[in-house]
Amino acid sequence: AQSVTQLGSHVSVSEGALVLLRCNYSSSVPPYLFWYVQYPNQGLQLLLKYTSAATLVKGINGFEAEFKKSETSFHLTKPSAHMSDAAEYFCAVSDRSSARQLTFGSGTQLTVLP
Amino acid sequence: GAGVSQSPSNKVTEKGKDVELRCDPISGHTALYWYRQSLGQGLEFLIYFQGNSAPDKSGLPSDRFSAERTGGSVSTLTIQRTQQEDSAVYLCASSFISGGAWETQYFGPGTRLLVL
Repeated sequence: AQSVTQLGSHVSVSEGALVLLRCNYSSSVPPYLFWYVQYPNQGLQLLLKYTSAATLVKGINGFEAEFKKSETSFHLTKPSAHMSDAAEYFCAVSDRSSARQLTFGSGTQLTVLP
Repeated sequence: GAGVSQSPSNKVTEKGKDVELRCDPISGHTALYWYRQSLGQGLEFLIYFQGNSAPDKSGLPSDRFSAERTGGSVSTLTIQRTQQEDSAVYLCASSFISGGAWETQYFGPGTRLLVL
């Protein structure tokens, strides 16, 4: 069974600082990996996805993530945080051969301090 | 174009009552998913529909939960005899699946269910 672990349920950064949100996955084969963002009282919006092309994936709003098979990680980064980045971020995994339902991590709430 | 829509946006019900939650997927999307987001359990997969295939119901937590998808479009999630632990946000997503290609799941805004 697949699983996703997000280290740090809450992360605070200063505006302009580096954002690093951690995600590790457990899967017997390289899966598809995703980062979604959820703003208050809204649904989930896809930030980026890894589907076995380039290991460094660029997404919307200046975010990117790097797939590292040796570390089973897919950490999300952004060089400079903006106040509008404050939201909850979810890492998710999908088995390539399954019905494609997503297994989500527990989420990381990002706070951006002025 | 229009995204995934869900109704109602909020629902308050009494324990023991039945509720129906509706999802309108993006037009042309062949796959539809229901997820539940709750404080204790995070985001959980409930059920998946793809075209005319039998749905994958492996995530439904009990037989009080059921879902149908009519005409390959609109879906209704029904919870019978609601319990307080059913209180959660129910999210619907849809995607277009062609052959072996995996496509992005687009999520609706969710229905916030509160069982008193």
